[in-house]
Amino acid sequence: NAGVTQTPKFQVLKTGQSMTLQCAQDMNHEYMSWYRQDPGMGLRLIHYSVGAGITDQGEVPNGYNVSRSTTEDFPLRLLSAAPSQTSVYFCASSRIQGARTEAFFGQGTRLTVV
Amino acid sequence: GQQVMQIPQYQHVQEGEDFTTYCNSSTTLSNIQWYKQRPGGHPVFLIQLVKSGEVKKQKRLTFQFGEAKKNSSLHITATQTTDVGTYFCAGVGRGGADGLTFGKGTHLIIQP
Repeated sequence: NAGVTQTPKFQVLKTGQSMTLQCAQDMNHEYMSWYRQDPGMGLRLIHYSVGAGITDQGEVPNGYNVSRSTTEDFPLRLLSAAPSQTSVYFCASSRIQGARTEAFFGQGTRLTVV
Repeated sequence: GQQVMQIPQYQHVQEGEDFTTYCNSSTTLSNIQWYKQRPGGHPVFLIQLVKSGEVKKQKRLTFQFGEAKKNSSLHITATQTTDVGTYFCAGVGRGGADGLTFGKGTHLIIQP
């Protein structure tokens, strides 16, 4: 079972470069989200989606774009990378059945911006 | 916006001692979830609490949801080295479709 797959696992970018973090899930989950994890800050929500064609901002959306053209994929785009975006990024998916069900997380992407 | 506070940030225990982490939300929650993250790993779901005053047990782990649905706790009895990691609570707002709001986590460090 693949679950939630994130690529790449590691990435180094130069300031100003752009890139896309990929996230795919094979569980037919409606809900997908992106978090960043920084030391002492826990997991902070960047963007989320409740279904194909629907996205919304989370707590820290600035500098990131998302789209949800299919149920399976939810890519995260960094338009112009900054050192402040150095972090570990996690993608997660879950069902929406009245109350939210458990979130399944990908393995994470460790991003360093120099 | 919704905020979820979690304490303590770090907890050192001797193997065999008990451990508790507490979570408090600034708003009433629809439900609360708990996750464990091993060092270098990703968060893994432990449990979800939905009802006011709910108590659930998983072997040595006991989870509680407050009567007002604004606070929760996780208690581990007789810790083992396999319990090492960071424990996060995550609240779901009353809207249901909103994102999970995570506490900052409690790092459990166990000394043999």
